[in-house]
Amino acid sequence: DTGVSQDPRHKITKRGQNVTFRCDPISEHNRLYWYRQTLGQGPEFLTYFQNEAQLEKSRLLSDRFSAERPKGSFSTLEIQRTEQGDSAMYLCASSLLGQGARGANVLTFGAGSRLTVL
Amino acid sequence: AQKITQTQPGMFVQEKEAVTLDCTYDTSDPSYGLFWYKQPSSGEMIFLIYQGSYDQQNATEGRYSLNFQKARKSANLVISASQLGDSAMYFCAMFRTGTASKLTFGTGTRLQVTL
Repeated sequence: DTGVSQDPRHKITKRGQNVTFRCDPISEHNRLYWYRQTLGQGPEFLTYFQNEAQLEKSRLLSDRFSAERPKGSFSTLEIQRTEQGDSAMYLCASSLLGQGARGANVLTFGAGSRLTVL
Repeated sequence: AQKITQTQPGMFVQEKEAVTLDCTYDTSDPSYGLFWYKQPSSGEMIFLIYQGSYDQQNATEGRYSLNFQKARKSANLVISASQLGDSAMYFCAMFRTGTASKLTFGTGTRLQVTL
């Protein structure tokens, strides 16, 4: 088990371009989360999946953002028509529902994908 | 709505000493969970400790303990015997039970361990 993997680790793009981030969770985890962290702040919740179903989206997730988790395994987060305000670290996390309150709610995070929009 | 407040932007501690990182929270929900995560410069958030709102005893995980004072709505992290590798950002976070671990994070405290 190699933990939660995110790719790419760093992405620099020009305003208006589309970018896609990939997250591979811990294989047996059935919940997957995306968070966004801007400089000097704590992470903010964006969305989460239980298996392949996207169960909740934050108001932070504008219509330029889309997340998928086909087959309930890896997930992708796509940002269309990037803006400079999208520059942030995008963190993916996973957890296993069914391990009691502590187990289900302890998130294992990846190292993040840092996006810089020029 | 939930809110986490971490009032210490930065802290210094000497190696082998204990340090307390402050966290206060605000919620009207009776059932919730509190976490501390560590974020080294490499970026990943590392789970340290969890406290449920109905847990009778303060949580401990090795050198980490959580000083949970429910009436004061505080959940301070105590690190004993600090090590150089403890230098990192530390985030307090909470979720409301039944909300599928949607964590609300504070702004973090940067801890620097010195020789």
